[in-house]
Amino acid sequence: AQSVTQPDIHITVSEGASLELRCNYSYGATPYLFWYVQSPGQGLQLLLKYFSGDTLVQGIKGFEAEFKRSQSSFNLRKPSVHWSDAAEYFCAVGPTGGGNKLTFGTGTQLKVEL
Amino acid sequence: DTGVSQDPRHKITKRGQNVTFRCDPISEHNRLYWYRQTLGQGPEFLTYFQNEAQLEKSRLLSDRFSAERPKGSFSTLEIQRTEQGDSAMYLCASSLGGNGNQPQHFGDGTRLSIL
Repeated sequence: AQSVTQPDIHITVSEGASLELRCNYSYGATPYLFWYVQSPGQGLQLLLKYFSGDTLVQGIKGFEAEFKRSQSSFNLRKPSVHWSDAAEYFCAVGPTGGGNKLTFGTGTQLKVEL
Repeated sequence: DTGVSQDPRHKITKRGQNVTFRCDPISEHNRLYWYRQTLGQGPEFLTYFQNEAQLEKSRLLSDRFSAERPKGSFSTLEIQRTEQGDSAMYLCASSLGGNGNQPQHFGDGTRLSIL
């Protein structure tokens, strides 16, 4: 069965500092990978996705993520964090060849210090 | 693209009552998904539809839960005889069809509180 691990429950960074959120997945083949962001009381907004091809993918709001097959990782990065980036971030994996359900990690809560 | 719409945003009810939630997907999306999210957790898959057909149900979806998408457009999720453990955020998402390479777009959810 597929699974996703986000080892960091909470992360605090200073505004302007760089950010990396970790995500490791377990899946029998190369999955489809996603990062979503959730603000309090809101639904999830898609930041970026990886299906195939270039392992470095660009998303919205200046985020990027790198797929590393050898490490089963899909870490999210941003070079300079803004206070408005404070939110909860979820990594998700979806099955290839007949997508239906997404399996999410438990999320990483990002706090930004001014 | 008006986004995925869910109604109501909040529902407070007493244990044992029945509740129904509605989801209106993005109009051209033929796939619709329901997830449940409890505090401090990521969303967990409940069920999904392709057009009006319910193609997969999670073991989380007990016999007290039923979902419909009668005309392949909006969907409803009903919980009968609610229990304390049903308190959660219920999220709806929609996507185009395909082999999984179409991202799911989420609504803002319905937060259910059981007294």
